[in-house]
Amino acid sequence: GQNIDQPTEMTATEGAIVQINCTYQTSGFNGLFWYQQHAGEAPTFLSYNVLDGLEEKGRFSSFLSRSKGYSYLLLKELQMKDSASYLCAGFSGGYNKLIFGAGTRLAVHP
Amino acid sequence: DTAVSQTPKYLVTQMGNDKSIKCEQNLGHDTMYWYKQDSKKFLKIMFSYNNKELIINETVPNRFSPKSPDKAHLNLHINSLELGDSAVYFCASSQDGSQPQHFGDGTRLSIL
Repeated sequence: GQNIDQPTEMTATEGAIVQINCTYQTSGFNGLFWYQQHAGEAPTFLSYNVLDGLEEKGRFSSFLSRSKGYSYLLLKELQMKDSASYLCAGFSGGYNKLIFGAGTRLAVHP
Repeated sequence: DTAVSQTPKYLVTQMGNDKSIKCEQNLGHDTMYWYKQDSKKFLKIMFSYNNKELIINETVPNRFSPKSPDKAHLNLHINSLELGDSAVYFCASSQDGSQPQHFGDGTRLSIL
């Protein structure tokens, strides 16, 4: 199979840094996406890693290690509006589709 | 301008009815998708079309029939609705499968 695992819930404090991990089976995926989804809204694209290493985009960064089947999303200077679900998704080139994890629900507290 | 728009936003209907959800994208993308997000928030691909051709058809009951009249539109028709069909259905589009997908606002389907 092509399982994607990420923690169900996390909490963090406003202004802090949080890292959301995602692990997947190494075979079959050609890239790793992160999406943000606020309650009752559509998922929105955050980042895409194809090669190993860190991609930085403002307060958000994403890391990929293909050999370890591991990715993380790093959120810095947390704001209350960052409270949302964060979805890790692997791109299967062979099947030309995204396979989503169940999402990590992040709650940011004052 | 809304990039991916789907209608209706809410759909409440009775078991056994037939209903349709429409989706349109103005991004010029070649690929469109239908996803189902259940109560546990799992987002699962149902169908994908590339330039009006079906390329992904997951294990979905044949009561669900997608139709793409042109590459900017992908509609979803559901026959004989069942209680288990209650979910949020998202339409999305991307230039191709490896590119970021843009999602519509979702259609919340409730079966009574």
